[in-house]
Amino acid sequence: DIQMTQSPSSLSASVGDRVTITCRASQGISNYLAWYQQKPGKVPKLLIYAASTLQSGVPSRFSGSGSGTDFTLTISSLQPEDVATYYCQKYNSAPHTFGQGTKLEIK
Amino acid sequence: QLQLQESGPGLVKPSETLSLTCTVSGGSISSSSYYWGWIRQPPGKGLEWIGSIYYSGSTYYNPSLKSRVTISVDTSKNQFSLKLSSVTAADTAVYYCARAVRGVALFDYWGQGTLVTVSS
Repeated sequence: DIQMTQSPSSLSASVGDRVTITCRASQGISNYLAWYQQKPGKVPKLLIYAASTLQSGVPSRFSGSGSGTDFTLTISSLQPEDVATYYCQKYNSAPHTFGQGTKLEIK
Repeated sequence: QLQLQESGPGLVKPSETLSLTCTVSGGSISSSSYYWGWIRQPPGKGLEWIGSIYYSGSTYYNPSLKSRVTISVDTSKNQFSLKLSSVTAADTAVYYCARAVRGVALFDYWGQGTLVTVSS
């Protein structure tokens, strides 16, 4: 099975900072990569699919890039409401594995 | 506005079968554009895809759970269901139902989730 590894597992940044989260697949998955945001006590929310396509309604400060095995989620200017755990997920073939999550906090 | 709502027992005994139903409102489960899936999240841990189903009944399961999982659909009730057999404490989790777009497991609408605890 293809493993999805996120880094870092947690990070703390200041409001206005540029934040980058990385997701690495153990084998190539083309661009079948999604990012989800899960705020504390809430339901996961789809942010980005096809590695770089923003889901409707998601603020433009979020962006994604990558293809093959290496992917990044970038928040261009961190806002207080971005405190959440972020998950990547492969969706090209079963099992549709999620990364272990990156917990983002405000410094 | 599409809504999904999970229902079922919150407590299941070890070795028994966990059964949950997801009721879809505000849209048809028979749409040819979507799959419908189950995802779970143990307390304080990450997300795990369990499986997905198409309105025709075609199913796709996580190989790690396949021997214990059955997902079914009832288009007349706009519902789909999950059965997980021979449960242990490791199956304690929040179980989410969700709609998948662009394939089997890209989830754009989620239910609120329901906590199922496995304990005697």
